[in-house]
Amino acid sequence: EVQLLESGGGLVQPGGSLRLSCAASGFTFSNYAMKWVRQAPGKGLEWVSTISNSGGFKWYADSVRGRFSISRDNSKNTLWLQMNSLTAEDTAIYYCAKDTFQSHGNPDYWGQGALVTVSS
Amino acid sequence: QTVVTQEPSFSVPPGGTVTLTCGLSSGSVTPSHFPSWYQQTPGQAPRTLIYTTTTRSSGVPDRFSGSILGNKAALTITGAQADDEAEYYCVLFVGSGISVFGGGTKLTVL
Repeated sequence: EVQLLESGGGLVQPGGSLRLSCAASGFTFSNYAMKWVRQAPGKGLEWVSTISNSGGFKWYADSVRGRFSISRDNSKNTLWLQMNSLTAEDTAIYYCAKDTFQSHGNPDYWGQGALVTVSS
Repeated sequence: QTVVTQEPSFSVPPGGTVTLTCGLSSGSVTPSHFPSWYQQTPGQAPRTLIYTTTTRSSGVPDRFSGSILGNKAALTITGAQADDEAEYYCVLFVGSGISVFGGGTKLTVL
């Protein structure tokens, strides 16, 4: 059974940093691209970032490029999202998601999400 | 700027059939966009219904089906049930690792 478990969410002040983790199990982690998708309170889903199966390719939404960094360790079956220079607009539930292919496609499995609140 | 369009809301009677669509602001949706559909109820994570246009996710009833209709991706629910009342999101892969979500369709079963 595919499982994705996010951790690391919490309350952070504007301008602060936070690192989210996603522990994956139940599939061959190194075979699939992974994504972070977020959902602001009362809003829809927003793609944040994708990393290819090897970690060699990374893509970011314009709204986070230069502030967020996605990474993975295939030996630990773990995905991360380093978030810097956070603003109130980054307040959201952040979902880790497994893609259907190595470097492209869309999510087929989701974690339960980690809440990030940016507030003073 | 790629925009993915969905109907904001839809209503279907219990037992009825409804087709939700997912379009592009410019151009047609094709299988190379790997259209996927998700169901979300309040307070819950998205649940994958359909991925790569027509593939039903594990455990999803066969009354949910995906297709390409004309120039859009489509999700058809046949024999709607009360617990199908939810927000439905589609997503399209537009290249270079980028996925774009639609704004969601709020489905009411009434």
